[in-house]
This record gives sequence, C-alpha cells and structure tokens, in this order.
Amino acid sequence: DAGITQSPRYKITETGRQVTLMCHQTWSHSYMFWYRQDLGHGLRLIYYSAAADITDKGEVPDGYVVSRSKTENFPLTLESATRSQTSVYFCASSESGKLFFGSGTQLSVL
Amino acid sequence: RKEVEQDPGPFNVPEGATVAFNCTYSNSASQSFFWYRQDCRKEPKLLMSVYSSGNEDGRFTAQLNRASQYISLLIRDSKLSDSATYLCVVTPYNTDKLIFGTGTRLQVFP
Repeated sequence: DAGITQSPRYKITETGRQVTLMCHQTWSHSYMFWYRQDLGHGLRLIYYSAAADITDKGEVPDGYVVSRSKTENFPLTLESATRSQTSVYFCASSESGKLFFGSGTQLSVL
Repeated sequence: RKEVEQDPGPFNVPEGATVAFNCTYSNSASQSFFWYRQDCRKEPKLLMSVYSSGNEDGRFTAQLNRASQYISLLIRDSKLSDSATYLCVVTPYNTDKLIFGTGTRLQVFP
C-alpha cells in the first residue's frame, strides 16, 4: 500500500548508544518531517527536509542527525541517546500544506 | 508565549451535545490553519483545513478569526467515536513548517 511507514514500531536502548529510526514514503512528497511527542509539549519539530539533500533544523534538533539521500527515505539518528530522548517519534510527509503521518516509533532510553 | 495555544481540557460531554474548542496563535502573518485528530497516541490525522470564510464538513465546523487570531472547531451531535485529542495546527507566513498546539482532549460519554 502507498503511504508512509516507520520502523521500528518500538525500540528500547541504553544511554550513549546510537539509534536510527527509519521513515519511508511512497508518495514522492517533497517535504518530510520528524516530530517528537511528549506529554505537556505536544508535537515538536526536530528536523525537516524540503527535498533530497536539503534538510533544516526544527524546534528541538540537538542530539539528532538526519539525512535525505533519496526522496523516499528520511532516517533520524540519535548519535548518543539520552534519557530525555525517550519519546514517541512521528515521521510525516506533506502535500499542499497537509501532513500525513507514519504510525510512530515509541523509543525508550534506559 | 507559545506560538499556538489550546485549552488541554478534557472536555467531557454527553452524546448528542455540541462542543466547541478554540485555539489562539501568536503570529499574525500565519497563512494556513488546520485541525488534526489524534487517538490514544496514534498518529495525528487531518480532520479539516480552516478557511477564512469558515467551512463545514458534516457535523464539524471550522472558523478563522484573523482579527483576534484564533481558530475554532465546533462539533455538533457528538458521538462516542469523537472522543480523541484535537490538535490545532498553524503554518506561519513564508515557511513550510507546521506548528502544533498541545491539543484539546474530548471525551464523549453515553
């Protein structure tokens, strides 16, 4: 099915480890986004990308790295995971200003 | 001041009731407005766009008040299935980033 998929669905890791969250879309949307969602903060933008090889920081980029070598993929890497990065992560793509989200990755950093 | 603010609720209403939520935004130059719905930490899904003249989709009516910088969502004849968190989303002028409110929780009871 066409759409946007994230993997893994759940991830438990330890502080200091590198973790990569995957995001893949089949629509060929130019824009893709990574959000994290925490109680009391709602959805906060981590990074976004306007096209392949173009990325930009959002509201909370520290501790995260992204890449976009292909239009359809937008992985998010936590270089050295910290407990404060325990969260639910949503990837999204957009068309005409409307966002379409993946199912999310629930990440726990112990 | 947050860019987008919502009353977190919860709004507890009986089936059949009419309920309204407001959302205020701080950037007067904001250009696009949306309401998203999110169920139980699942991914947010677009409910409806908000147009300057106001718009309706079945039991849902959205309105924009640029002078007072708020948007509203009215739900008529509430159903149990309307229980969810409703997220207000604003796109500031000349940017592709969508700013989310923290959401308003609605609980419809029998």
